[in-house]
Amino acid sequence: QSALTQPASVSGSPGQSITISCTGTSSDVGGYNYNYFSWYQQHPGKAPKLIIYEVTNRPSGISNRFSGSKSGNTASLTISGLQAEDEADYYCSSYTTSGTRVFGGGTKLTVL
Amino acid sequence: QVQLQESGPGLVKPSETLSLTCTVSGASVTSGAYYWSWIRQPPGKGLEWIGYVYYSGSANYNPSLTTRVTISVDTSKNQFSLKLSSVTAADTAVYYCAREPRSSAWHDYWGQGTLVTVSS
Repeated sequence: QSALTQPASVSGSPGQSITISCTGTSSDVGGYNYNYFSWYQQHPGKAPKLIIYEVTNRPSGISNRFSGSKSGNTASLTISGLQAEDEADYYCSSYTTSGTRVFGGGTKLTVL
Repeated sequence: QVQLQESGPGLVKPSETLSLTCTVSGASVTSGAYYWSWIRQPPGKGLEWIGYVYYSGSANYNPSLTTRVTISVDTSKNQFSLKLSSVTAADTAVYYCAREPRSSAWHDYWGQGTLVTVSS
């Protein structure tokens, strides 16, 4: 299985909004009836943290500045009102038609 | 509060077997509501899903690792384990254990991770 495709890096200024894309195939991201899609935030030296699950849902304690969406084989994570603490690596993850899980290659977010 | 903690050797020789254990607190590995997973991250690289085990012992593995990996559960100790055989330098990574709610495919709790280096 191949990793999902994410941009290597994105950047934005404080207060701005940014969007990170995650592109897969009909065997994973675009699979029918598959909302088994999530996003993780990882700060340096730390474990990944779940920030979006089931495409659009936020776990308790996650800011509503984080939002997710999906259309076809591509999902997106939008962070609005960018803050310095948002600077981190972001990973997407999807269920696959083989019953396995696959991650994206990761995107480094820089807050200018 | 659910907590997961990885443990095991930080250095493994090439061709040998990497063995790690994840100790779970605040939750039970016998719960039918969760899968118990291993995920790794080579230095400076992205995440790779290794596989998961269910309390019954049934497991599901990454096809690229399936010939070398075994994930098992020890319900008496509330732990689950990873064994990866015939390791090479490419298996050097931070290894995370994590919890996955059934019927979800996402990981809601993670261990802090442990670095395993493959080197002679």
